[in-house]
Amino acid sequence: EVQVVESGGDLVQPGGSLRLSCAASGFTVSSNYMSWVRQAPGKGLEWVSIIYSDRTTYNADSVKGRFSISRDDSKNTVYLQMNSLRADDTAVYFCARDLGDPKGYFDFWGQGTLVTVSS
Amino acid sequence: EIVLTQSPATLSLSPGDGATLSCRASQSISSYLAWYQQKPGQPPRLLIYDTSYRATGIPARFSGSGSATDFTLTISSLEPEDFAVYYCQQRSIRPRTFGQGTKVEIK
Repeated sequence: EVQVVESGGDLVQPGGSLRLSCAASGFTVSSNYMSWVRQAPGKGLEWVSIIYSDRTTYNADSVKGRFSISRDDSKNTVYLQMNSLRADDTAVYFCARDLGDPKGYFDFWGQGTLVTVSS
Repeated sequence: EIVLTQSPATLSLSPGDGATLSCRASQSISSYLAWYQQKPGQPPRLLIYDTSYRATGIPARFSGSGSATDFTLTISSLEPEDFAVYYCQQRSIRPRTFGQGTKVEIK
């Protein structure tokens, strides 16, 4: 069964850092494109970051220079390192697998992990 | 960045009604559009991709159409479990962007 489970969300002060994890099962993250998508409370969806199978990464302009995505193939896990956090980063962060064929859509999502940035 | 504008913001309908949701792109995205359904406290679920292809396990009452800048999600006859928020998403040009959502609520 395909599954992704996010963890690491927490309450953090502005300017702080946090690392989110996305543990996958039922498929291999290294063979797929994996993304982080966030949703601020009561708001819509915003794509944040993606890592390709060849480890190429892209980030949304809103997080460029602050967030970075990576993966550990031995743990079948994807990470999102978040630095210099701001109040507007407060959101549920979803890990999502790319559909693959065609590429560009998200076919499996985790339940999300909540990040709250507040003093 | 491609902006996707969904309308209406809210659709108030009864079970058994048909629903028509619209998504308009700020520039042509060919057929590279998907639709997702999200219920409270749950992640989004992929319904339709590349305008008209149903994802695995999606019932036939969901259908998609359109091209270039104007797209439609049609639900032929609403079931109680279809009341939710629906988002469109494009994959034509990075970054992938979503519409702001249409809420289908029970009238």
